[in-house]
Formats: sequence, structure tokens, C-alpha cells
Amino acid sequence: DTEVTQTPKHLVMGMTNKKSLKCEQHMGHRAMYWYKQKAKKPPELMFVYSYEKLSINESVPSRFSPECPNSSLLNLHLHALQPEDSALYLCASSPQLAGSYNEQFFGPGTRLTVL
Amino acid sequence: AQTVTQSQPEMSVQEAETVTLSCTYDTSESDYYLFWYKQPPSRQMILVIRQEAYKQQNATENRFSVNFQKAAKSFSLKISDSQLGDAAMYFCAYLTYNQGGKLIFGQGTELSVKP
Repeated sequence: DTEVTQTPKHLVMGMTNKKSLKCEQHMGHRAMYWYKQKAKKPPELMFVYSYEKLSINESVPSRFSPECPNSSLLNLHLHALQPEDSALYLCASSPQLAGSYNEQFFGPGTRLTVL
Repeated sequence: AQTVTQSQPEMSVQEAETVTLSCTYDTSESDYYLFWYKQPPSRQMILVIRQEAYKQQNATENRFSVNFQKAAKSFSLKISDSQLGDAAMYFCAYLTYNQGGKLIFGQGTELSVKP
């Protein structure tokens, strides 16, 4: 299995809702990432997990809460989002954070719309 | 801090022709990796090609090749025999050898392929 899966593909939520995005990989990778991407812009890094521990938080607002329950699974919990949070949320994984095996594999993304 | 610049927001190529996408970067590091990612309208980010800075030989992957000029800090992507399926947003990205996780993207070049 050489892919990263993300669910759901699309999500529409109100500003008072609580929802979660899910990302899964079965490649044995030990690093996982969340990115936010606006249309026609590059992905912006949000969080990095290494060996199930949070390694990088790019000063993301607390209404985004990441969770890594095990080495294959990464969640992003959403609460009290703003309309400007509407974007494509990409998950990625890599064998390691540093060294030779650091190529990042991306999932197809979740298109989030906040009303 | 490292930066990546793609100076061509849009490019166009005729089917079966060759096109070159430009990328320059700024860094004071000697060890790093460079990548070209492709993101078609279906939005899945796909790795096209990877180059280790310590390797002098330019990377190639089928119709895709790079011209890596380390001294000039240049990393261009050449697509030969362009196909309709090559139409996508192309992102150049930089990753340090030791600083885990932070993939620095350029602003992207949108490539269209004319039949």
C-alpha cells in the first residue's frame, strides 16, 4: 500500500460545529504532516508529527487541534472555525523527518467550506 | 531563512513539445534536497522528481529531467514530449537535510498543454 488516504473528501460546516478530518497511511512512515492550501497557492505547513509526537506547530490557531493516535493515523479536529479557514487540507507522510528518506507523499485532500 | 522562487506564474506548451519550468532558491546550507511536485486539477500532489544537493548528476524520470546548478542555486524542470496529462500546477520545493519536516514551496507555475 503506497498511498495516503483522507476522509472526508468534502466537508461543509458552520462556525459553531465540531468536525474532524482523518488521514491514514500504511507505508510504515513515522512522520506525518498537515498542510492548508488556498486556491492556486502553495501548501502551508500547519503541523508535523514524528513518532506520534508533535514536532512542529506553525503557530496555528487553537481552533485547529491535531491528534496522532498511532503511527498510521492522523486527525485534525476542527472547532469554531471562521470562513477564512475554508481551504483544501492536505495530509502527507514521509519515512522519517530528516536524513535520506524524507520524501513526502501527499493524500488527495479534504475540501473544507466554512459557512 | 530559505526561500524558493518560481518566476513563471503560467506557462503554455504545445503537445509533444518541450517546456522548461524555472526555480531558484536561496540558502546558506550545503546539504539539502530539492523536489518538483505536480498538482493536477484533481488536486492530488504528486512527486515528479527529486534531487540531492550532494549529487552532481542531474536527476531524470522518464520524460522529466532537471538542470541542477548548485552554485547558481537554480533547479529547473524540463518536460519532454509534453502530454495533455502534464497540465497541472507545478511546485518547486526545498527541504533541508537536518531540519525535519519543513518543506518550503515556491509559488507554483501553472502549465497548460495545447493539443
